[in-house]
Amino acid sequence: DAMVIQNPRYQVTQFGKPVTLSCSQTLNHNVMYWYQQKSSQAPKLLFHYYDKDFNNEADTPDNFQSRRPNTSFCFLDIRSPGLGDAAMYLCATSREMGGRQPQHFGDGTRLSIL
Amino acid sequence: GENVEQHPSTLSVQEGDSAVIKCTYSDSASNYFPWYKQELGKRPQLIIDIRSNVGEKKDQRIAVTLNKTAKHFSLHITETQPEDSAVYFCAASGGSNYKLTFGKGTLLTVNP
Repeated sequence: DAMVIQNPRYQVTQFGKPVTLSCSQTLNHNVMYWYQQKSSQAPKLLFHYYDKDFNNEADTPDNFQSRRPNTSFCFLDIRSPGLGDAAMYLCATSREMGGRQPQHFGDGTRLSIL
Repeated sequence: GENVEQHPSTLSVQEGDSAVIKCTYSDSASNYFPWYKQELGKRPQLIIDIRSNVGEKKDQRIAVTLNKTAKHFSLHITETQPEDSAVYFCAASGGSNYKLTFGKGTLLTVNP
């Protein structure tokens, strides 16, 4: 059974048209992460939530925002997608903060920009 | 910050042979080292991890070794099968660093 669920699996949007990706988890983990992964590259952390506390990576563009309305759900909002934002977006969770906590990934949403 | 180097970037082996992927890290405070397997178009899947109080860990055909002094860790896959073909990522984190720092990945191809 999938424990970190991302919807949709594939998303197509137009250049500059806002898009929202969603993630839900059944693990009741405190931490949720959003990663961007481009072809043949490692996942790149965009931001994470510890409970309701939001933490943005220093190099995450302002175009990317996130919401976590409750423990189970987290959203990634891209306000004005550019061609360079086409990528796989991965959601992950971990039980707690701290470097020794395993992260569990969802299947990802592949975003295409027309 | 932490820096993780991973080698080789591609590895091709014959079915039944062993495969070894090596990673080095820079931050001596790192104490958690997971390995992820990612098949094409799929999620990274945690296959094994090791913590710094352990030198070696094994799970069936997969083993990971850690040398804290040299700051390197390795993934060993024995009796490789075609379904082992994927991209493998090593990562490091620990201490006050909650983030996973990933290596650049190794594309493993197991030829039948």
